[in-house]
Amino acid sequence: DQQVKQNSPSLSVQEGRISILNCDYTNSMFDYFLWYKKYPAEGPTFLISISSIKDKNEDGRFTVFLNKSAKHLSLHIVPSQPGDSAVYFCAASGNYNQGGKLIFGQGTELSVKP
Amino acid sequence: DVKVTQSSRYLVKRTGEKVFLECVQDMDHENMFWYRQDPGLGLRLIYFSYDVKMKEKGDIPEGYSVSREKKERFSLILESASTNQTSMYLCASSPPDRGLSGYTFGSGTRLTVV
Repeated sequence: DQQVKQNSPSLSVQEGRISILNCDYTNSMFDYFLWYKKYPAEGPTFLISISSIKDKNEDGRFTVFLNKSAKHLSLHIVPSQPGDSAVYFCAASGNYNQGGKLIFGQGTELSVKP
Repeated sequence: DVKVTQSSRYLVKRTGEKVFLECVQDMDHENMFWYRQDPGLGLRLIYFSYDVKMKEKGDIPEGYSVSREKKERFSLILESASTNQTSMYLCASSPPDRGLSGYTFGSGTRLTVV
């Protein structure tokens, strides 16, 4: 039972254009969402997060949008750069169990071409 | 610079061997986690711990056990390694805020069971 889903395993965009990575979730108890970025042979690193009381959060070139009614979030990267090429994981947290461990999606591999 | 250190980057073990994966963090974090990453499946939680000598099963605990004798160290044990445990193993730690500040991950251990 995959509670957090990233249905696109890969995405390819041109440098300078927008990258949009999507994530869907099924558990309405989730109230906090995060995006992680992972390069090969490295651990994932935290990128940006959003609370369910917001519908948008920006940090430089990265913006996360949350649509609670659709149980959908997206990460926008503008403009995309070759160094953004990595695997991106979305994750969700809910205050319904002890500690509220993060549940991760399957990941989307982004390739930004020069 | 805060760190999560995994003792080995690459390991090759034989089927049936007992395997120990070690993880040490220097951030005085209460929470520690073991995930495995497989293509198309994302990050799946094996075990986690919210305190010394405390452990909780994640989503895929079968074939694994853990040990947390000291706050900074969280060990993953494969009691009898099998080929389906060939994977990338990632350790993470976080303060007790249900992941809101983001996990800090180690660089991972690529385990191959032959």
